[in-house]
Amino acid sequence: GESVGLHLPTLSVQEGDNSIINCAYSNSASDYFIWYKQESGKGPQFIIDIRSNMDKRQGQRVTVLLNKTVKHLSLQIAATQPGDSAVYFCAENHSMDSSYKLIFGSGTRLLVRP
Amino acid sequence: DGGITQSPKYLFRKEGQNVTLSCEQNLNHDAMYWYRQDPGQGLRLIYYSQIVNDFQKGDIAEGYSVSREKKESFPLTVTSAQKNPTAFYLCASSIDRGGGYTFGSGTRLTVV
Repeated sequence: GESVGLHLPTLSVQEGDNSIINCAYSNSASDYFIWYKQESGKGPQFIIDIRSNMDKRQGQRVTVLLNKTVKHLSLQIAATQPGDSAVYFCAENHSMDSSYKLIFGSGTRLLVRP
Repeated sequence: DGGITQSPKYLFRKEGQNVTLSCEQNLNHDAMYWYRQDPGQGLRLIYYSQIVNDFQKGDIAEGYSVSREKKESFPLTVTSAQKNPTAFYLCASSIDRGGGYTFGSGTRLTVV
């Protein structure tokens, strides 16, 4: 079946630098995308979402970019902090799908070097 | 405060035993989900329910069972048929299609 995937299992960045986590999706009908952050031993937490009628959305220190032409999603974290160290998952959903299911990517671990 | 609660946080099971993991939400969400997560891995869907008294198998339903007798509750039973049950189990809920999930804090199950 179609799925969302991540290219890099681990990303190491220097504290204070910007981080970019990438995600490729294969279902061109998907119209809702979410990024989740999961800290060790905890459940995933919502970071930011974007619908397909947008190509960019900004939050506090985070920006999600959506390129529907190449079916690519990215999460940018500005001025990365030690507390940003976690696994990040992208997820997609198709609002016309009869199920409510999100399809999750395999995750990227972000390590922040002091 | 509204939220989704999983209990217990840690659970130990002897081989051959069934165990039930609790998931309760007071968000008035229609849909609920169970995921399994192995160390360093992503989320795999076990079961989901879009409405009370109805549920569907996910990708790895074998060895698991669920019920949805109340909107607020979606317990997961890990049966003795599940050969490798040691994992981190996550429950989630969502209000409708095209929306995101709210996750619980997880239950770590260990077979001893």
